Amino acid sequence: NAGVMQNPRHLVRRRGQEARLRCSPMKGHSHVYWYRQLPEEGLKFMVYLQKENIIDESGMPKERFSAEFPKEGPSILRIQQVVRGDSAAYFCASSRTRTGVYNSPLHFGNGTRLTVT
Amino acid sequence: SQELEQSPQSLIVQEGKNLTINCTSSKTLYGLYWYKQKYGEGLIFLMMLQKGGEEKSHEKITAKLDEKKQQSSLHITASQPSHAGIYLCGADASGGSNYKLTFGKGTLLTVNP
Repeated sequence: NAGVMQNPRHLVRRRGQEARLRCSPMKGHSHVYWYRQLPEEGLKFMVYLQKENIIDESGMPKERFSAEFPKEGPSILRIQQVVRGDSAAYFCASSRTRTGVYNSPLHFGNGTRLTVT
Repeated sequence: SQELEQSPQSLIVQEGKNLTINCTSSKTLYGLYWYKQKYGEGLIFLMMLQKGGEEKSHEKITAKLDEKKQQSSLHITASQPSHAGIYLCGADASGGSNYKLTFGKGTLLTVNP
């Protein structure tokens, strides 16, 4: 039973390029969450998606960042015109239901480590 | 906004010793999650605590949530090198959204053989 799969594991981009991070949830999971872990900071929520819908993007920077979870295929976190401050580990998590105290906990992938040079 | 403070920030113990990591919140927690992260890797779910006074154990790891639901502790008995890693506590303080977890900055545990 494969876990949450993220690729690539490491991504290096020059300033101004685009970064595309992919996440395939666990089998049977239709809820996907993206978190970012900046150096020396805790994990912070970015966006919550269900198939074809963005449910909550309150943690997403207003510009250059977008996320999607199409009907078919993985969820994509896209960062346009990357800057050095975007260097971080980006984690995807999934859950079977909308997660919470009485539901299933978040299962995280191994993350994508983005380095902007 | 919800903030979680973890202590200590780092911990070095000799194999076989017991240790405790704490996670403190300024607000009541509606759910408290403990994860372990190996350097450069993903997060492994350890335990989830819901109710005040709740205690859960898995192998040599025990986690408790205090009665006021503002502090949790993670206790490892007879530590082993395999316990080394970064321990993160995450919490839902919204009482509603349940997916916007706030995480502490982590406790780095080193276990020397």
